[in-house]
Amino acid sequence: DGGITQSPKYLFRKEGQNVTLSCEQNLNHDAMYWYRQDPGQGLRLIYYSQIVNDFQKGDIAEGYSVSREKKESFPLTVTSAQKNPTAFYLCASSIQARGSFGNEKLFFGSGTQLSVL
Amino acid sequence: GEDVEQSLFLSVREGDSSVINCTYTDSSSTYLYWYKQEPGAGLQLLTYIFSNMDMKQDQRLTVLLNKKDKHLSLRIADTQTGDSAIYFCAESMFSGGYNKLIFGAGTRLAVHP
Repeated sequence: DGGITQSPKYLFRKEGQNVTLSCEQNLNHDAMYWYRQDPGQGLRLIYYSQIVNDFQKGDIAEGYSVSREKKESFPLTVTSAQKNPTAFYLCASSIQARGSFGNEKLFFGSGTQLSVL
Repeated sequence: GEDVEQSLFLSVREGDSSVINCTYTDSSSTYLYWYKQEPGAGLQLLTYIFSNMDMKQDQRLTVLLNKKDKHLSLRIADTQTGDSAIYFCAESMFSGGYNKLIFGAGTRLAVHP
């Protein structure tokens, strides 16, 4: 079955520790995204990648880092510089044509809940 | 500025219709979306509407778009307990060479007997 897989479902971070959230897709989508969800707020974009080996900062990139070495994978590292990391993290992908005004339907993973110990 | 606004809560009786409202700011948005999120899960695309349409119907779902007022609504007919979830409105915005989705804060729909 095609889809997006996020792991782990729950993750705990100690102070000063970096943690990495995994996101894998087998939809053959070019574009991948990381969003952060806090209670009572909309989704906020952390990073996005339109193509392999390229990624751009979203609205709240500080304290996070990503890589896109393979089309299928877009891991997110929450660094110790992120002082308020507790949130629900969602990965998404889409068929993305750069410069397109097309219908950018996003497909989401099931999320990772990150908490601070 | 970028802003999509929704009311945070809606409570309806099972079998009634639910109407979830949303206002957006970018008049150039080409597509507007409704996503559903069940507890502890990711977002699932429910439906979307192209900006040159006024209405779209898909089984129990009806989307109404008022471009003049930048108002979008989602009507769920014969609401069931399985419809209890958070519903997100999103607008597409072309920025930096790609289409960016701006999400509202979500409306939590509670369905009671």
